[in-house]
Amino acid sequence: SYVLTQPPSVSVAPGKTARITCGGNNIGSKSVQWYQQKPGQAPVVVIYYDSDRPSGIPERFSGSNSGNTATLTISRVEAGDEADYYCQVWDSPSDHAVFGGGTLLTVL
Amino acid sequence: EVQVWEIGGGLVPPGGSLRLSCAASGFTFGTYAMSWVRQAPGKGLEWVSTIGASGGRTYYADSVKGRFTISRDTSRNRLYLQMNSLRADDTAVFYCAKMGPVSTSTPHWGQGTLVTVSS
Repeated sequence: SYVLTQPPSVSVAPGKTARITCGGNNIGSKSVQWYQQKPGQAPVVVIYYDSDRPSGIPERFSGSNSGNTATLTISRVEAGDEADYYCQVWDSPSDHAVFGGGTLLTVL
Repeated sequence: EVQVWEIGGGLVPPGGSLRLSCAASGFTFGTYAMSWVRQAPGKGLEWVSTIGASGGRTYYADSVKGRFTISRDTSRNRLYLQMNSLRADDTAVFYCAKMGPVSTSTPHWGQGTLVTVSS
């Protein structure tokens, strides 16, 4: 089965840039979504189709995907960005959606 | 405005059954695949099932295959998840999501409904 690997945690100071990676075999050939989940709340998509941003999501959020790694980049990090972030793809060979294990972003 | 929201959830004994519903508005329901995703307490997101736009194709996680059935009623803009033979490890918040194999449109998720399997 297809596996997505995320670092359990990433820490960043306010105003700096956070990068959260999502590793998977040839993930560059798949479309990646990124979800933000704050405690007690439902997940919210921040990036879909590798790099598209839904309306209402700040331009500080961007995504890239190539080779075996997809990356969510958050520029000028704010305290309100502190949350769990999950990557997700659809694995066509298995016809399964797959989520990464999640990354806790801590704003120092 | 696109909205999806779950109806149902609650406490069910092990071995029991429960049917979740999801209502949708703000988009042409019959043209999008829909999914169920769950999250056990303190755990990450786990995909459960997806149904194609026409309802002709269904997909299941191995952990629920043969026990859960996904369906949709396009005339009522409703998505369903029939859950049978429930186990304690099915305890989770279940989310309805406008989400499927093709990701060119913005995914949308509901607020979730808690299913607790316990005696």
